Amino acid sequence: AQSVTQLGSHVSVSEGALVLLRCNYSSSVPPYLFWYVQYPNQGLQLLLKYTTGATLVKGINGFEAEFKKSETSFHLTKPSAHMSDAAEYFCAVTNSGGYQKVTFGTGTKLQVIP
Amino acid sequence: NAGVMQNPRHLVRRRGQEARLRCSPMKGHSHVYWYRQLPEEGLKFMVYLQKENIIDESGMPKERFSAEFPKEGPSILRIQQVVRGDSAAYFCASSPKGQGVPETQYFGPGTRLLVL
Repeated sequence: AQSVTQLGSHVSVSEGALVLLRCNYSSSVPPYLFWYVQYPNQGLQLLLKYTTGATLVKGINGFEAEFKKSETSFHLTKPSAHMSDAAEYFCAVTNSGGYQKVTFGTGTKLQVIP
Repeated sequence: NAGVMQNPRHLVRRRGQEARLRCSPMKGHSHVYWYRQLPEEGLKFMVYLQKENIIDESGMPKERFSAEFPKEGPSILRIQQVVRGDSAAYFCASSPKGQGVPETQYFGPGTRLLVL
């Protein structure tokens, strides 16, 4: 069984400030972890993913996430928020067994204040 | 290379009617996944299909919902006798293959179903 918990359904940051979106996962086998972004009325776009190897993963648009097994976390960060980052962000988990049944978190809406 | 295509983008149905949602995967992708997103919620897995096969439908409601991915043509998610609770955004995703190190699932823009 696998699950994802995103802390904070809404996060507000000032333009230029650090973005930190939290994600904790639960998985009975080694997980593969993803962050997706969804703009209004659009589909999901992959930001980054962790499979194996380096625990710090860099994605598009300046985002990165660090896999911390001891904390079962995969938090998403960006040093400096842009107005264009305002969107909803979803953390997701799948595992190495079988096919990729992906479990999504409930999402975090990021608001960027000018 | 066109992305995942879904149509219609918006669909309005009255209670009791049928809704038919279409998904054309990316070129070269033979694996299709359907997800449902209820208002203020994350995406919930519904069904995973390969060409002419349903691999996992554990997320599909037992009644009124069905899915197919024929040898030719798009994948279809069909909802019979729709009810208001079916109002949601339905997303399709595709990937080149389903197993091994996870392939990225590429998502379509979704079909937003409104049941009156």
